Amino acid sequence: ELKVEQNPLFLSMQEGKNYTIYCNYSTTSDRLYWYRQDPGKSLESLFVLLSNGAVKQEGRLMASLDTKARLSTLHITAAVHDLSATYFCAVDASHFKYNTDKLIFGTGTRLQVFP
Amino acid sequence: DAGVIQSPRHEVTEMGQEVTLRCKPISGHDYLFWYRQTMMRGLELLIYFNNNVPIDDSGMPEDRFSAKMPNASFSTLKIQPSEPRDSAVYFCASSLWVWGGDGFYEQYFGPGTRLTVT
Repeated sequence: ELKVEQNPLFLSMQEGKNYTIYCNYSTTSDRLYWYRQDPGKSLESLFVLLSNGAVKQEGRLMASLDTKARLSTLHITAAVHDLSATYFCAVDASHFKYNTDKLIFGTGTRLQVFP
Repeated sequence: DAGVIQSPRHEVTEMGQEVTLRCKPISGHDYLFWYRQTMMRGLELLIYFNNNVPIDDSGMPEDRFSAKMPNASFSTLKIQPSEPRDSAVYFCASSLWVWGGDGFYEQYFGPGTRLTVT
């Protein structure tokens, strides 16, 4: 059974600081997704990582994937208050089967950025 | 497109009552998903459909839960009878294959239905 773990679960950081959120998963997968959820809102897709070594960047967020280590990171550079949200990674569970779309979500990391 | 549409947005009901949640996926998307989100269990996949056919319902918690997709533009998730532990936010999502490199599915989430069972 595919398991996806994120750490930390909660992150309180000061504006201007850098930090990294980690996403570990238990079995091989070629596709990893990052989502953002604002309080009381739905999930919004941030990044899709499709291969070992893939790196995607948008503004102050950068995501990377190491399929050999089964690890993805979401790095936050010079955090600002607007980044406060919960961030989820999700792993495609269909690697060993035919090409379906079944994602297993991590526990989420609740990020709070304060002045 | 208006995105994934869910109704109602909020539902408050008494234990034992039947609850029906509705979802309209994005036109042209061939997968539809039902998720449940709670503080204790996080985001759980309940069931998903491909071209209106249920593919995997292993996440449906028990027989009180059922889901249907009678056509490509409509799906329901029904709970009968409802219990207080069913209180959660229920999300519907739909997805489309995106070409580029090896390709991938992009899931789009609806706004969710907040269900409270008293």
